[in-house]
Amino acid sequence: DTAVSQTPKYLVTQMGNDKSIKCEQNLGHDTMYWYKQDSKKFLKIMFSYNNKELIINETVPNRFSPKSPDKAHLNLHINSLELGDSAVYFCASSQEGGRVTDEQFFGPGTRLTVL
Amino acid sequence: GESVGLHLPTLSVQEGDNSIINCAYSNSASDYFIWYKQESGKGPQFIIDIRSNMDKRQGQRVTVLLNKTVKHLSLQIAATQPGDSAVYFCAENWTGGFKTIFGAGTRLFVKA
Repeated sequence: DTAVSQTPKYLVTQMGNDKSIKCEQNLGHDTMYWYKQDSKKFLKIMFSYNNKELIINETVPNRFSPKSPDKAHLNLHINSLELGDSAVYFCASSQEGGRVTDEQFFGPGTRLTVL
Repeated sequence: GESVGLHLPTLSVQEGDNSIINCAYSNSASDYFIWYKQESGKGPQFIIDIRSNMDKRQGQRVTVLLNKTVKHLSLQIAATQPGDSAVYFCAENWTGGFKTIFGAGTRLFVKA
């Protein structure tokens, strides 16, 4: 069984469109994250939710809006897509964000290409 | 801004040799460090972690060394195998931080 799953795996769209990426974890974790990985493999945190509440928002443009309908889901909606949004987006989860020992489990990633 | 690692260097090793991947961090408050492995087309995967009250921790074929004096972290892989080829990230966290800072990563190539 997949622990952290994301859909879609690939997303190709035109500039200006609105798109969503879905994430689900079946690990019973309290905390979920969204990361952006650029072409140089640099991983940067975007958002973190703990028990459906936003706890980290790393100066991400407000075109990006995360939504957590329940503890097991954290979706990412992006409005007015720009060329610079092209990247791989990773969802992750951890047992309890903020503890000293808190391994994160990552999804397979969604490769977003904006044309 | 991010302080763990600065570049994406590449390390090429012969199969069977030992590999050492290095990482620098700058946040003195960090008390938990993790190494992740990212294979092509996949998400990062936990390898090994270490708390700041330790300076060495061993796993299966992997060892992490922490030098808090110079804020340096290393991952040693014994008897490197082709399946070890991946990008390796060091990451740091601190109690109550809710945020893990990832380094830029090191690409490891294993030559058969």
